[in-house]
Amino acid sequence: ILNVEQSPQSLHVQEGDSTNFTCSFPSSNFYALHWYRWETAKSPEALFVMTLNGDEKKKGRISATLNTKEGYSYLYIKGSQPEDSATYLCAPTNFGNEKLTFGTGTRLTIIP
Amino acid sequence: KAGVTQTPRYLIKTRGQQVTLSCSPISGHRSVSWYQQTPGQGLQFLFEYFSETQRNKGNFPGRFSGRQFSNSRSEMNVSTLELGDSALYLCASNSGRKADTQYFGPGTRLTVL
Repeated sequence: ILNVEQSPQSLHVQEGDSTNFTCSFPSSNFYALHWYRWETAKSPEALFVMTLNGDEKKKGRISATLNTKEGYSYLYIKGSQPEDSATYLCAPTNFGNEKLTFGTGTRLTIIP
Repeated sequence: KAGVTQTPRYLIKTRGQQVTLSCSPISGHRSVSWYQQTPGQGLQFLFEYFSETQRNKGNFPGRFSGRQFSNSRSEMNVSTLELGDSALYLCASNSGRKADTQYFGPGTRLTVL
């Protein structure tokens, strides 16, 4: 079982501000890292799948970086908007263990 | 393309009963995974089915079982329900290739009284 930690657990950010949060995971046998956004009353929605050390992905105002050697990923949101309010989940996978192991998430609330 | 669908969306059962939940994956997807989410817990992996075979399994008791049909639709069964089984059950589908994005359904909210 992979030990996945996300911090902080929750975050309140003023609209227009930028923010970031962290996903930590075991670096050994790393294969891929998934980021999902889960809005209340909706299904989790895939944001990124990252596999390479140093990888950086971007989708609109949201971007993510990956450090597989030290076992962490950062998710950044630039110029937060109310629609960014959601729980952000990360899930690494390992070689030989293809199932996603989800962290407990960072719950982001944007204050208008 | 239609998304992942789950039925029923809500279910109320009593302790000791059994329940069957259904998941229809996105057309062309061969892998279906099931997850449980309870308050304060992350998404806990139950099992994955690929081409009608269980490919991965999480750490849940044998009361939790599943199956997949030739059209890739999947069912999950929980027998002898306990209060602690009250949760949101999500299924997700993908092509089955390693690291492929999983597409989630809306979930079934199970309440055990």
